[in-house]
Amino acid sequence: DTGVSQNPRHKITKRGQNVTFRCDPISEHNRLYWYRQTLGQGPEFLTYFQNEAQLEKSRLLSDRFSAERPKGSFSTLEIQRTEQGDSAMYLCASSLFIRDEQYFGPGTRLTVT
Amino acid sequence: GENVEQHPSTLSVQEGDSAVIKCTYSDSASNYFPWYKQELGKGPQLIIDIRSNVGEKKDQRIAVTLNKTAKHFSLHITETQPEDSAVYFCAASKSGAGGSYIPTFGRGTSLIVHP
Repeated sequence: DTGVSQNPRHKITKRGQNVTFRCDPISEHNRLYWYRQTLGQGPEFLTYFQNEAQLEKSRLLSDRFSAERPKGSFSTLEIQRTEQGDSAMYLCASSLFIRDEQYFGPGTRLTVT
Repeated sequence: GENVEQHPSTLSVQEGDSAVIKCTYSDSASNYFPWYKQELGKGPQLIIDIRSNVGEKKDQRIAVTLNKTAKHFSLHITETQPEDSAVYFCAASKSGAGGSYIPTFGRGTSLIVHP
């Protein structure tokens, strides 16, 4: 299957710890997006990359969040000093340049205790 | 920024009935409207989309309609089946020159199809 993959699928961490998630997009897709989804809500945009360049960041993305896509392929999202409010599903999506259709991965569910 | 409202939040139907989910958007510059289906424990799956130069689009049992003047769009599912049970999200975005391609999502509709 050549869809979007995300790892890990689940992460439980204690408040104050750092966590890192990985997203592998569909191979020929040069745009990669990160979203956060909480219970009963639709996905909320966090940031996106075109190739290795991070082009836009939402104001939801606090200084504790950082994302990278060093070689324009996979991406990582790191959350430093996690807080209970960071508990959510973190979704990754990819698309072709200047195409509207985005394809989502299965998400990483983060629980901060 | 864009604001997308989605109704109803929950929709319960009998197998074989039709289901309609409605969304409104606020930014008249939005021109691309996808619909996603999300099953429990999975990421959203794109099921159909419509662009602002089209009023209606069909794909087998699902159809979308768009009213640009009123800034609302709808998802119609006919002959519902239990496997249609999921959360459905509408979204709106701006594509093309100057567009961000970043969708704003509605809050979702939980569709329950009873056998």
